[in-house]
Amino acid sequence: DVKVTQSSRYLVKRTGEKVFLECVQDMDHENMFWYRQDPGLGLRLIYFSYDVKMKEKGDIPEGYSVSREKKERFSLILESASTNQTSMYLCASSGTSGSSGELFFGEGSRLTVL
Amino acid sequence: AQSVSQHNHHVILSEAASLELGCNYSYGGTVNLFWYVQYPGQHLQLLLKYFSGDPLVKGIKGFEAEFIKSKFSFNLRKPSVQWSDTAEYFCAVNGPNTGGFKTIFGAGTRLFVKA
Repeated sequence: DVKVTQSSRYLVKRTGEKVFLECVQDMDHENMFWYRQDPGLGLRLIYFSYDVKMKEKGDIPEGYSVSREKKERFSLILESASTNQTSMYLCASSGTSGSSGELFFGEGSRLTVL
Repeated sequence: AQSVSQHNHHVILSEAASLELGCNYSYGGTVNLFWYVQYPGQHLQLLLKYFSGDPLVKGIKGFEAEFIKSKFSFNLRKPSVQWSDTAEYFCAVNGPNTGGFKTIFGAGTRLFVKA
């Protein structure tokens, strides 16, 4: 089974702090994604990456950056956390050939910014 | 703006009732369609998917969905729900017109099944 592991399930940070969210997948997937999940808004794409060192902005990239130095790892960075970034963050991965883009998700990282 | 719309945000049913959750999308051209489910305390997982062939697709746990291209719809159905179906359900779409094969999600429907 594909396993997508997010390093932290729960984090509490203060406004202005730098936050790192780590994600690792073990299925050699080319594509990796960061979404945030908010009640009533569904999942919104922050950034995605289709190859090592490649990144593309999603629909809500403001206030976030990402890093993909290795194929299996995709990090989300909040340079200066703000209260409106309190949310559930979901990492996902997908293969390219023959997969139709099915996403495999991690368990999520719930971030609270005070 | 192009989007994925789920008709109901909250649904409450009794066990053995039939379920239909609506999903409409606004992207033209070729699309891949998905329903994902998130059970309480668990990660999102695929329920079923459509990318070609028979427009009636069957997924896990007795769920099915029908792709109606003319209506831009992909509604989820189950003839008889169980208490264990309590979860949040997300419709999702990807394809050339979602922007580089990004997957776009609906807002989700929270289903509560009374025992």
